[in-house]
Amino acid sequence: NAGVMQNPRHLVRRRGQEARLRCSPMKGHSHVYWYRQLPEEGLKFMVYLQKENIIDESGMPKERFSAEFPKEGPSILRIQQVVRGDSAAYFCASSPDRVDEQYFGPGTRLTVT
Amino acid sequence: AQKVTQAQTEISVVEKEDVTLDCVYETRDTTYYLFWYKQPPSGELVFLIRRNSFDEQNEISGRYSWNFQKSTSSFNFTITASQVVDSAVYFCALSGNNAGNMLTFGGGTRLMVKP
Repeated sequence: NAGVMQNPRHLVRRRGQEARLRCSPMKGHSHVYWYRQLPEEGLKFMVYLQKENIIDESGMPKERFSAEFPKEGPSILRIQQVVRGDSAAYFCASSPDRVDEQYFGPGTRLTVT
Repeated sequence: AQKVTQAQTEISVVEKEDVTLDCVYETRDTTYYLFWYKQPPSGELVFLIRRNSFDEQNEISGRYSWNFQKSTSSFNFTITASQVVDSAVYFCALSGNNAGNMLTFGGGTRLMVKP
């Protein structure tokens, strides 16, 4: 059973471009969480999705950030018009149920130049 | 609101020493889970343990042990006979009885084990 997959592992974008981060949960997992780790900081929750639904986006910046988890395909975290402050590691985690333990992907390291 | 505090930002030990990483949490939930994750220099997050709030038994797994004390809201992690490969950032985290089960992480403790 493959683990949580994230791609790309490293992404470089210039200011103003769009960044798309993908997360494929473990097989059988329908709950996906996105977390952001700014340099030298801990992880902060961004958004929680279940298939086709956003359950909680309380940690997501109000502008430029969006997330989706379609019926088919990976979950996508989209950042429009990136700025230098968006440079961070973005981790996705999945779980089979709301109360179960979350399994983390390897992360996507976004660098905005 | 939930909060996790790891007061030690950085610890340096010599190989074979024992080391304890502290974690203190705050929550109003009656049911909650506590976690420890390891983040080695390669950057991925490695799950170490999950403990629910009703189980205060201490746990030992090889050189790792965890001490959960509800009375002091602490969930400390001890590595016995540390090794250089233990060098990493260790995160304590909490999830509560909320709608999403999202994790609240502490700021992490960077452990450096020197040969």
